[in-house]
Amino acid sequence: GAVVSQHPSRVICKSGTSVKIECRSLDFQATTMFWYRQFPKQSLMLMATSNEGSKATYEQGVEKDKFLINHASLTLSTLTVTSAHPEDSSFYICSARDPDYHGTDTQYFGPGTRLTVL
Amino acid sequence: AQTVTQSQPEMSVQEAETVTLSCTYDTSENNYYLFWYKQPPSRQMILVIRQEAYKQQNATENRFSVNFQKAAKSFSLKISDSQLGDTAMYFCAFIPRGGSNYKLTFGKGTLLTVNP
Repeated sequence: GAVVSQHPSRVICKSGTSVKIECRSLDFQATTMFWYRQFPKQSLMLMATSNEGSKATYEQGVEKDKFLINHASLTLSTLTVTSAHPEDSSFYICSARDPDYHGTDTQYFGPGTRLTVL
Repeated sequence: AQTVTQSQPEMSVQEAETVTLSCTYDTSENNYYLFWYKQPPSRQMILVIRQEAYKQQNATENRFSVNFQKAAKSFSLKISDSQLGDTAMYFCAFIPRGGSNYKLTFGKGTLLTVNP
């Protein structure tokens, strides 16, 4: 159980275009999902917290107009990188909180998306 | 604010041997959860083990066990009978229990290499 999918796994786009990444909880309902960015050989950096039916909460320094987050259902959150530039190239990971697993606030992670902006 | 420190950036171990990864944390919370996540070369984050702070018994999952010392704020991971597939980055993480933001605080990670 507790499987989280992420799509696409890799995407290459031109500078100035927008890219949408989907994160789905496959076997549980996730009222809260998270979006992380990870640079090579570094830890995960939290970008934003996505709550179903409400606006996302962004971490300090993250541009909310550039990284649009929508959590329209209990199993789907999307991250849209708008007007992407080469500096947005990175590995993006989503996670979903399983609220019913003994109340342990365990997060399960998607496999990640490698974004390359040319 | 919470902090998580992993003091070993890299470690290596021979196949079939035992290795211990260190993690310390700083918090004023009394109730919380601690986790070890594994990130192999595929970069998929995998939950290895979790510990509830209010439980004195150390968590175990097959070859993985923890040594949780609440007073010392220490949470080390022991891997027994190391296998080549254990080669990965290991992250220690903390979350307060009953918090409203559910954010995980991660350490910087320890890169473990299992040698044949």
